[in-house]
This record gives sequence, C-alpha cells and structure tokens, in this order.
Amino acid sequence: NAGVTQTPKFQVLKTGQSMTLQCAQDMNHEYMSWYRQDPGMGLRLIHYSVGAGITDQGEVPNGYNVSRSTTEDFPLRLLSAAPSQTSVYFCASSRHGSGQYFGPGTRLTVT
Amino acid sequence: AQTVTQSQPEMSVQEAETVTLSCTYDTSESDYYLFWYKQPPSRQMILVIRQEAYKQQNATENRFSVNFQKAAKSFSLKISDSQLGDAAMYFCAYSGGPGTYKYIFGTGTRLKVLA
Repeated sequence: NAGVTQTPKFQVLKTGQSMTLQCAQDMNHEYMSWYRQDPGMGLRLIHYSVGAGITDQGEVPNGYNVSRSTTEDFPLRLLSAAPSQTSVYFCASSRHGSGQYFGPGTRLTVT
Repeated sequence: AQTVTQSQPEMSVQEAETVTLSCTYDTSESDYYLFWYKQPPSRQMILVIRQEAYKQQNATENRFSVNFQKAAKSFSLKISDSQLGDAAMYFCAYSGGPGTYKYIFGTGTRLKVLA
C-alpha cells in the first residue's frame, strides 16, 4: 500500500512553460485535492474532486487545470508557469471524515 | 462558512514537559470532524489525531490528546512528555458532515522543543 504518491519531487520551470504534476493513490479514496503551500504559510486549496469525472475549484484555481478520469489519479496541470506559482504542492486523498492522507509534495520553482 | 483559527503562531516547550496548542472553529453544522496534523521540517503532512464531533470522549493517540469542547467550538491538542522530534508546524483542520469533503485548515502553530 503506497498511499499517496506524487511526481516529480522537485521541478524547475521557466516562465511560460507548462507541466503536469502527477498524483496517485491506492486507497480507493473518493476525495482528492491539490494544495499549495508558500513559505511560512498554511495550505491553500487549488482544486478538488469528489469522484472520477467530478472536479471543482478551490480558493486559488487560476493558472491550474485538473482532471480525474480514474479514482486513483488526479493530475494538476500548470498552463503557463509564472514566478508566483513557485511553491510546494501537495496532493491529498480521503474518504469522508477519515482525515486526509498527503503525498510527500512537489517543490516547484519558476524562474 | 466554516473557519478554523489558530491564534498561537509559535510555541515553545521544554523537553519532557507538556504543551497545549489551541484551535477554535466556527460552524453551524452539528456533525463534523476535527483533525490535528503535524508538518516536520521534511514537509510531510502527518495526521496526528482525529475527533468525531458526535463523540463526547476526547481522542488520544499515545502522547497526543485533545480537549474537545463542542459548545465552545474549541479543539486543543495536548502533547505530553515532549520530545525533540515533536518540533514541527501543527495544523488544525475541520471537515464537515455527510456529503461534504472539503477540509479547512488553520494557519498553523510552530512548536519548538528546547533541550
């Protein structure tokens, strides 16, 4: 049982480049979400999904897209990277009320 | 809308002593869940303890326990016999009743453990 996995662990992008952060879970959790955490800050919700084919925006969705074609996978796509998107990105999954299980995070730097 | 407030940005505790981290929340729901997460320097978010609102009994996990006061909407975390490895950011989180999945996190409390 790998839990929640994220790839890559580190990434450096140039302004304007696009990329996809991968997230997968093997716990059959219906709920998955993406957060960003800026230095010294808490977590801000980017997008979330309550099941395959269902996604919705969180509090900071601009510049990001998500899709959920399977229960297991929930990739986050950066459309055109900007320095303001430099952050640590966390993917999490849960069942209702179980508490979220987090991946190890992806540290993204945009130059 | 629900909110979670952690009013202590930073706390310190001597090794082997006890420390309590505060968390208050606001909600109109009667059925919900509360959590404490630990984030050590590795950045991994670790679920420490979980409390179901309809349970009167306070949750405990080894040296970690909560004081859940539903009427006061308070959910504090007590760490007993503090260890150097307890040094981390601690986040309080709320999740609503049936049919809701979103989690609301507080801004965190940084705990320093002094040797």
